[in-house]
This record gives sequence, C-alpha cells and structure tokens, in this order.
Amino acid sequence: GAGVSQSPSNKVTEKGKDVELRCDPISGHTALYWYRQSLGQGLEFLIYFQGNSAPDKSGLPSDRFSAERTGGSVSTLTIQRTQQEDSAVYLCASSLDIAAEKLFFGSGTQLSVL
Amino acid sequence: GQQLNQSPQSMFIQEGEDVSMNCTSSSIFNTWLWYKQDPGEGPVLLIALYKAGELTSNGRLTAQFGITRKDSFLNISASIPSDVGIYFCAGRDGATNKLIFGTGTLLAVQP
Repeated sequence: GAGVSQSPSNKVTEKGKDVELRCDPISGHTALYWYRQSLGQGLEFLIYFQGNSAPDKSGLPSDRFSAERTGGSVSTLTIQRTQQEDSAVYLCASSLDIAAEKLFFGSGTQLSVL
Repeated sequence: GQQLNQSPQSMFIQEGEDVSMNCTSSSIFNTWLWYKQDPGEGPVLLIALYKAGELTSNGRLTAQFGITRKDSFLNISASIPSDVGIYFCAGRDGATNKLIFGTGTLLAVQP
C-alpha cells in the first residue's frame, strides 16, 4: 500500500479480554516498530523487527504483551488479559531498514479497556 | 520505558509568534530527529540532525544538535494555525539502534 495501515482504528474491550492489533507496513520496508502513546505521554518504544533478525522486545511492559511479524511483512501486537492501564494509542511504523531515520507511521489503534 | 525529556510540555501562542522547544537526554545520541504529530495521525519526520553543533533549517523550522550531544532545540518562526500539533524529538541509541522518542510538546496556535 501507499502507507502504513493499522487496524482496527478503534477498539473497545472489557478488562480481561485479549486483543489483537494489526499493522501492514510499507512494501519493501524491512524494519517495523510498535510504539505506545498514552494520554499526555510521549511515544513509548515497545518492540522492533528488522528483517529476519530476532526482534528487540526490550520495551514490552509485561509478558501479557507479544508481537509477531509473519513473512517479513504484516505484524500483529497481542495483548492478553487486558487491563485498564493498557488503554492508549498503539502506533506502528516502518522504515527501509533499522538505520533509517525516517519512520513512516500509521494512524494508530485507539485501545480503550473498560 | 526510556524517554527523552522535552520542554515545555505545552504552548499556547498567537499566530505570528516564534516558538522554541528543547529536548534533553542523560545519554549521548549520534542522531537527533524532530517529528510532528497532527491530531488523529501518526508522527511525520520534520528534520534530521547528524553532527554535534549542526544547525539545519526546513522552511520556518530550524533545529540544532547540541554540542554535548545530549540535547537538541527546535524553533518555529512566524507560527501559523497549521503548526498546531505535538512535536516530538527522537534520538537513536547507538548501542541498540532503537529510536527513542521524547515526551512531546503540544503546540496550540490561536489565529
């Protein structure tokens, strides 16, 4: 596609349920990132993927969070047993490679946990 | 998670005014970046800085890479209503390659 696509754009869920957030990066981009933006907060790094290398998961806040990237393209961020503090905008970005400064961001998924 | 500190947190100004914001880190970065996030969208890259002391302009925007490599500044001259948004600094951690973002500065411009 022309840009990074994220779905759904909004997700409302009940506390304790699992959610899956999807990211379609720009074709040909080998690096893919997930960030979290909480109300009034900056962009918190969660995880990045670079080609076939092992992902850098150092930003994942707990073991309830996981992400995978299939076939070097689409990525899914999964949050299990959601908590209210998980409510935030989850942003995905891609770049040509991990060294590239220009990240192309999607519009994000607004997650609300009730 | 690891973040850079930006100040001010928010600014409310009149159209035509100049704006300054800065970003500081306890770590040295080899690359400093400035992004802007429009409401409801993802951030977009404005300026990239690669060398300590470097001063770079992009239209009405000017950014500087601090000599200590621990800070950066962004100036916007003659602000206009479409400058409204959240401005983020970002630095690349040389050891991990992670791009670390700042806490953001919210800019509101009154016509």
